[in-house]
Amino acid sequence: QKEVEQDPGPLSVPEGAIVSLNCTYSNSAFQYFMWYRQYSRKGPELLMYTYSSGNKEDGRFTAQVDKSSKYISLFIRDSQPSDSATYLCAAVNEAGTALIFGKGTTLSVSS
Amino acid sequence: DAGITQSPRYKITETGRQVTLMCHQTWSHSYMFWYRQDLGHGLRLIYYSAAADITDKGEVPDGYVVSRSKTENFPLTLESATRSQTSVYFCASSRDRNSPLHFGNGTRLTVT
Repeated sequence: QKEVEQDPGPLSVPEGAIVSLNCTYSNSAFQYFMWYRQYSRKGPELLMYTYSSGNKEDGRFTAQVDKSSKYISLFIRDSQPSDSATYLCAAVNEAGTALIFGKGTTLSVSS
Repeated sequence: DAGITQSPRYKITETGRQVTLMCHQTWSHSYMFWYRQDLGHGLRLIYYSAAADITDKGEVPDGYVVSRSKTENFPLTLESATRSQTSVYFCASSRDRNSPLHFGNGTRLTVT
């Protein structure tokens, strides 16, 4: 079992929809969580960075961490065609030496 | 603000050849990483470095060699390339152990 699990999708939504992307993790020692966005033939770029439980909002994006259920989520409000990309969740490993990534969810937003 | 650059962007090589992928960062970040990205596996850590002259293995280190003589450079060498090493390779850096990683745009390597 991979330490960070993510539904690969693909996920297709119309423009303006609210998108929910989800991951689960297995190690309760994980404390730092990140969401990355990756466009085709580009490197992943950081979207959100959260520590421990709770919500963090940045514009149309909200990251949520529920440590009791080992669940992390990314919500995108008013989705745009430019949001079409692969979204990767990640957790800093227990030793604090590297990021462990989910396999990514591919999102397509149609206009 | 050059950030992190990888070279080459694309590389085709033959089985058994040695190939080196280059990575350079301008932020003076302590940590640097090499990941490979494959369909069905996502991003997997090959090697990482906490500082110059300090390197350690990740999840999939076999067949790869790294060095870090200077803080800003972290080359990855495939000593004898195999077809299973066909992949997209990403270099990343971070300020410290719990900070976000910043990625380069990758090297797409094909081993024939």
